[in-house]
Amino acid sequence: DQQVKQNSPSLSVQEGRISILNCDYTNSMFDYFLWYKKYPAEGPTFLISISSIKDKNEDGRFTVFLNKSAKHLSLHIVPSQPGDSAVYFCAASAGTSYDKVIFGPGTSLSVIP
Amino acid sequence: DVKVTQSSRYLVKRTGEKVFLECVQDMDHENMFWYRQDPGLGLRLIYFSYDVKMKEKGDIPEGYSVSREKKERFSLILESASTNQTSMYLCASSFMGGSYEQYFGPGTRLTVT
Repeated sequence: DQQVKQNSPSLSVQEGRISILNCDYTNSMFDYFLWYKKYPAEGPTFLISISSIKDKNEDGRFTVFLNKSAKHLSLHIVPSQPGDSAVYFCAASAGTSYDKVIFGPGTSLSVIP
Repeated sequence: DVKVTQSSRYLVKRTGEKVFLECVQDMDHENMFWYRQDPGLGLRLIYFSYDVKMKEKGDIPEGYSVSREKKERFSLILESASTNQTSMYLCASSFMGGSYEQYFGPGTRLTVT
């Protein structure tokens, strides 16, 4: 039973437009959330994170929004660039258990030039 | 720059063979993790370690074991490889009590025939 869900396996967006990647979670003990980006044949790299005490965190073109009551977070990329084409993983941690994080299944983003 | 290296990028083994996957990190991280990545399933935690000689089972430890004799090195062992262990294996490390940000190696694509 997946505790972190990404219901869209793939997403296509035109270059310059906004990309919105969604993530839902079921465990109300999660208090820290992360997004990772993965290119083919490479390991995932950390992108942005948010603590449960915030509802928004921004880093350049990337913004993560957290809605705790809905157990939902989203990653916004504005403007989208072809180099953003990758698989994006949502991850969550409960602040215990030796710093473990639980990863979602990923969403493959294609940014079309 | 944090560097996590994995001993092989591609590996082909036969059913029943004992397989060793090695991971080394150079940032003095306490935590080390082994995941496997399969399409539609995301990253699933096999084992992790928060200190030398310490190990904890993740979500899918069956058929695997691990060894951590030195802080920088974490080995994943497939005792008797089976075809359902064909997968991408990813090693990661992180500071204990930090931001949960994990640094990943490039992955090992293991094929068991």
